[in-house]
Amino acid sequence: GAVVSQHPSWVICKSGTSVKIECRSLDFQATTMFWYRQFPKQSLMLMATSNEGSKATYEQGVEKDKFLINHASLTLSTLTVTSAHPEDSSFYICSARERVRRTEAFFGQGTRLTVV
Amino acid sequence: GQQVMQIPQYQHVQEGEDFTTYCNSSTTLSNIQWYKQRPGGHPVFLIQLVKSGEVKKQKRLTFQFGEAKKNSSLHITATQTTDVGTYFCAGNRDDKIIFGKGTRLHILP
Repeated sequence: GAVVSQHPSWVICKSGTSVKIECRSLDFQATTMFWYRQFPKQSLMLMATSNEGSKATYEQGVEKDKFLINHASLTLSTLTVTSAHPEDSSFYICSARERVRRTEAFFGQGTRLTVV
Repeated sequence: GQQVMQIPQYQHVQEGEDFTTYCNSSTTLSNIQWYKQRPGGHPVFLIQLVKSGEVKKQKRLTFQFGEAKKNSSLHITATQTTDVGTYFCAGNRDDKIIFGKGTRLHILP
């Protein structure tokens, strides 16, 4: 089956620093990758959609200068949380949609970010 | 904004009882997907429904897509402890995958 690898699985950083999260599709080409944020016991909130080689499309209320998304290749997308603050602490999950099937999404393992 | 509603938010059932979660969209969906997320884990794809009125089964799980393609349900027959988790429906709209709030299922032994 399709595998999406997300790294790191958890990270603790100091306020004001930046954190980069990587999302890789290991055995398929992903033209579209989605970045979600999930608070404890809540649903996945779509932050942005990224298509390979083009700028990400951000959902309303998501600061694009704060959450930088790069989708440089068909197998890699990155999310950088810039100048992180404690309120950015959350579970971030990426998902990738396969180029051919373009139906269901395959999820990474998620990254738990804690900003202290 | 995201407009896929899912009820109930929580459900506690005795092991062996049935369980159903419902999903409604304000707009017609091209398809609907269901995911399961175990505590501490990430969402795992269960199934996709595409056709109006479609019904699919996976062992004790029955998935339905409404005639108008605006609602869907997931029914679990004779729940087991392994069914614990949060079940999310997700609709495709404008090429995005939008999730419902999920239904957290807790099984009482």
